[in-house]
Amino acid sequence: GAVVSQHPSWVICKSGTSVKIECRSLDFQATTMFWYRQFPKQSLMLMATSNEGSKATYEQGVEKDKFLINHASLTLSTLTVTSAHPEDSSFYICSARGRRELSYEQYFGPGTRLTVT
Amino acid sequence: AQSVTQLDSHVSVSEGTPVLLRCNYSSSYSPSLFWYVQHPNKGLQLLLKYTSAATLVKGINGFEAEFKKSETSFHLTKPSAHMSDAAEYFCVVSEYGRGSTLGRLYFGRGTQLTVWP
Repeated sequence: GAVVSQHPSWVICKSGTSVKIECRSLDFQATTMFWYRQFPKQSLMLMATSNEGSKATYEQGVEKDKFLINHASLTLSTLTVTSAHPEDSSFYICSARGRRELSYEQYFGPGTRLTVT
Repeated sequence: AQSVTQLDSHVSVSEGTPVLLRCNYSSSYSPSLFWYVQHPNKGLQLLLKYTSAATLVKGINGFEAEFKKSETSFHLTKPSAHMSDAAEYFCVVSEYGRGSTLGRLYFGRGTQLTVWP
């Protein structure tokens, strides 16, 4: 139980295009989802926190207009990288926090590797 | 403020020998501490967590960690390494106590464990 999926697992796009990444909690409801970014050989950096039905809270230094987050349902959050540039190439990981019955545990998705050419 | 320092970016051991991955933390409160493992191109998996119930915490796959408040440490150990243990390990602190992941998670930079046959 408590599985989080991400789609796609990897994507290559051209500079200037937009890319959407989906994060789904497959067998539980998640009122809160988190988006992280991981550079090679580095740790995870929290980008934003999204609560179902409300606007995402972005961390300092993260461009809201560039990284659009939508959390439309209790099982789905999306991250759209708009007008992508090579410096946006990274590994993006989401996590979903379960409700009380799951002890509010955070469960991580497998990540999406984005390469912008 | 919370922060985590993983003292070694890379640890190499021979199969069958003990593993020690070091982690020091800084927290304004009584922290929750976690160890996660990440295999290549996979999401993070929870190994164990400190909830204040016991200072020696046992996790999955034979791993354990000891919380030492006086040393502000939470080192991860395993008596005998297995080839399948080769992965990236992250020490994480939460701003909430009692093993909760309700709040934001702060990640260390990670330790890459290599296991030689």
